[in-house]
Amino acid sequence: KQEVTQIPAALSVPEGENLVLNCSFTDSAIYNLQWFRQDPGKGLTSLLLIQSSQREQTSGRLNASLDKSSGRSTLYIAASQPGDSATYLCAVSESMNYGGSQGNLIFGKGTKLSVKP
Amino acid sequence: KAGVTQTPRYLIKTRGQQVTLSCSPISGHRSVSWYQQTPGQGLQFLFEYFSETQRNKGNFPGRFSGRQFSNSRSEMNVSTLELGDSALYLCASSLLANRETQYFGPGTRLLVL
Repeated sequence: KQEVTQIPAALSVPEGENLVLNCSFTDSAIYNLQWFRQDPGKGLTSLLLIQSSQREQTSGRLNASLDKSSGRSTLYIAASQPGDSATYLCAVSESMNYGGSQGNLIFGKGTKLSVKP
Repeated sequence: KAGVTQTPRYLIKTRGQQVTLSCSPISGHRSVSWYQQTPGQGLQFLFEYFSETQRNKGNFPGRFSGRQFSNSRSEMNVSTLELGDSALYLCASSLLANRETQYFGPGTRLLVL
């Protein structure tokens, strides 16, 4: 059974610092991995999607890497800002197919990031 | 382009009642997925619909059901509500399949008393 773990559960950093959020998964047979951001009381915003054949994806100050063999992904945030404060979730989609779709999307519990001005 | 909309945003029900939540996907998106978010269990996948057919289902009891209409709008229903069903219910849409980038709605917060 696939399990996704995110460490740390919470992180507080001063503004301007570069930081890394970690995500690990137990079964390397994934279709892709996604990083999301969730602001309090709101839905999720997709940040980056990495296909299983890719090693990394970049968007602005964000860079996500994927190492399928070790079951790990990291989300690197450069020059953090107070507006980056949110909960960051990673999710893996399993590679087995049901009529053309992949299996369940499995989420970690998230890392709550606080960036202090 | 309008985002994913969910109605109602907040709902209070009592045990034993049933509830129906609605989700309108982004125009042109045909895949709609539902998730339950609780402090204890985190985000859990409920089901995915595509072209009015349930394509995938998470590990939830049969009290949780859903459907999708020809215009891709989706509803989920929970019958015989239990206290543990109190949660934020999120809907997400994607163009063709939930393996693509998903766009989430703001959620419906359900409180069961």
